[in-house]
Amino acid sequence: QSALTQPASVSGSPGQSITVSCTGTSSDVGSYNLVSWYQQHPGRAPKLIIYEATKRPSGVSNRFSASKSGNTASLTISGLQAEDEADYYCFSYAGSALYVFGTGTKITVL
Amino acid sequence: QVQLVQSGAGVTKPGASLKISCKASGYIFTNYYLHWVRQAPGHGLEWVGLIDPSGTTTAYAQGFQGRVTMTGDTSTSTVYMELSSLRSEDTAVYYCAKSTGGTFDYWGQGTLVTVSS
Repeated sequence: QSALTQPASVSGSPGQSITVSCTGTSSDVGSYNLVSWYQQHPGRAPKLIIYEATKRPSGVSNRFSASKSGNTASLTISGLQAEDEADYYCFSYAGSALYVFGTGTKITVL
Repeated sequence: QVQLVQSGAGVTKPGASLKISCKASGYIFTNYYLHWVRQAPGHGLEWVGLIDPSGTTTAYAQGFQGRVTMTGDTSTSTVYMELSSLRSEDTAVYYCAKSTGGTFDYWGQGTLVTVSS
């Protein structure tokens, strides 16, 4: 049950689009669409921004989108804004009632 | 509205045990699994395990097997997580989170556990 692999950091200028990858295995990301993404600002609890690999909860900006292909899930933030600067984590079901988080990615808005 | 209210911060010594509570309100307690997630200072999120609040199902991450026990009390809509044989690496903020289809839609405020001699 190893953590899903994410880049440690990604940066972009305001208005740009960035993509964060989340690589797992055929036992987790590759086998289930139960992949979710969370945004976490310092000192705060995580916030759900994507569920079931591609779905966006009501109230979450449509600048956030996601996809999944094989063992890799991806989160894209378009029209990057200063408020998007935070840590982002993917999370996947891994079978047998087990789950695993990604290693986390720090998004910096330049 | 859905609320998950956790017990307060605690300091404990290496080798001891600690039990954290998470009281749920605003929804039917037994209809949704609750998970525990921890975050060590300066580190990422780590899934600890889950419990069916009726207590019939628990599942723990491999790294916590044998040291963690999750229980539920339907009379008070509260779940508990007990972690034993604590070591300094267990110093972290522990969150409970309500799950809908494997997705965390609500989180507790977090409980800071400090393990120090």
